[in-house]
Amino acid sequence: DTEVTQTPKHLVMGMTNKKSLKCEQHMGHRAMYWYKQKAKKPPELMFVYSYEKLSINESVPSRFSPECPNSSLLNLHLHALQPEDSALYLCASSQGTFLIRSGGTDTQYFGPGTRLTVL
Amino acid sequence: AQTVTQSQPEMSVQEAETVTLSCTYDTSESNYYLFWYKQPPSRQMILVIRQEAYKQQNATENRFSVNFQKAAKSFSLKISDSQLGDTAMYFCAFMKHRRDSGGSNYKLTFGKGTLLTVNP
Repeated sequence: DTEVTQTPKHLVMGMTNKKSLKCEQHMGHRAMYWYKQKAKKPPELMFVYSYEKLSINESVPSRFSPECPNSSLLNLHLHALQPEDSALYLCASSQGTFLIRSGGTDTQYFGPGTRLTVL
Repeated sequence: AQTVTQSQPEMSVQEAETVTLSCTYDTSESNYYLFWYKQPPSRQMILVIRQEAYKQQNATENRFSVNFQKAAKSFSLKISDSQLGDTAMYFCAFMKHRRDSGGSNYKLTFGKGTLLTVNP
């Protein structure tokens, strides 16, 4: 089973709203990722969590706040977003072998995404 | 830094025919992984196939196969017996091997994508 789920599928919010995106996986993966994807473009990495700790922040504005409450769950809290933040937000997970000395293929499996529109 | 180039922004193929999507990459690494992901209009990014650079044998997954030419830094995807459900954006991606990356082999470097349309 390589399933990553994301909720909601669609989200419309105003610039003053606070909302959250949720991502869940039950594959025992220890690395989870948030990506932002604009139309007809490849995904852009935002954050990486490994073993529930934030490992990588790709210089993302503070209006995006990630959270990893446990090894299966990843949230992205949104506050005071701008219209240019409208995009597809993808979550992914992987085994986290990059954390392990033995190396290996750390294949990322993606969720279906949340389509975010900021008005 | 790694770069991945997909030189065909759009392609089309007739149902049941074979199509090949090209991907080239530039790296100084000797150990790495290459991936093809597809993203249908339904938008979920789905892993199609994966290739380890140290393996000479080309990866295959049912109707999907790759032609991996390490010296030429080429990684093309062949789709046989194309089906309407193959219509999607296809992304080629590169990832370093951990031992050569200083622990930073989490990062996928994507190409810009090829939009494939399968026509009935």
